[in-house]
Amino acid sequence: AAGVIQSPRHLIKEKRETATLKCYPIPRHDTVYWYQQGPGQDPQFLISFYEKMQSDKGSIPDRFSAQQFSDYHSELNMSSLELGDSALYFCASSLEIYGYTFGSGTRLTVV
Amino acid sequence: EDQVTQSPEALRLQEGESSSLNCSYTVSGLRGLFWYRQDPGKGPEFLFTLYSAGEEKEKERLKATLTKKESFLHITAPKPEDSATYLCAVVPGSARQLTFGSGTQLTVLP
Repeated sequence: AAGVIQSPRHLIKEKRETATLKCYPIPRHDTVYWYQQGPGQDPQFLISFYEKMQSDKGSIPDRFSAQQFSDYHSELNMSSLELGDSALYFCASSLEIYGYTFGSGTRLTVV
Repeated sequence: EDQVTQSPEALRLQEGESSSLNCSYTVSGLRGLFWYRQDPGKGPEFLFTLYSAGEEKEKERLKATLTKKESFLHITAPKPEDSATYLCAVVPGSARQLTFGSGTQLTVLP
């Protein structure tokens, strides 16, 4: 079965640089979510899109933005990176609240 | 405010020693309670979704139950490969995003 695909798997950036993370949701899922997980912490909700429209926002910094494109893939853009942005970033997708599946994540390291 | 609390934070079991993990929640209108397994550096792996009090689901050595205030994940005769962090999450009210608990780190010793 198709899963949620994220790229890249690992990313190293310097402070003040910009990073772009990509997510390809499961086909026919109507909602895409982004979560951030710091070391030893539980995943924290950042932002979600329902049918390509932004639907909810969580604790997402103003330096971060996201969008979902016509082919349903989503991108998380992170600017002016800080050391504290180092974390695992997960994308998930669902159909309504069913089939809620996470990708393998992108490990971002800011140096 | 929606809250999810998991206990214990960490649990060490001998292989074959059954136990239970707890997830207590306070939410405004529960739409679903989810259990995930997470290995270090990997994405959460879906285990179960429970939608209403009294519901139970089983998969291999795992069984999840739900009441109006809490959920239990029962692990029967665990094996070392069951070692992982188990995350509980809820979808409250009209939302779709998950609110996670802090997880239980399970270690099963051979």
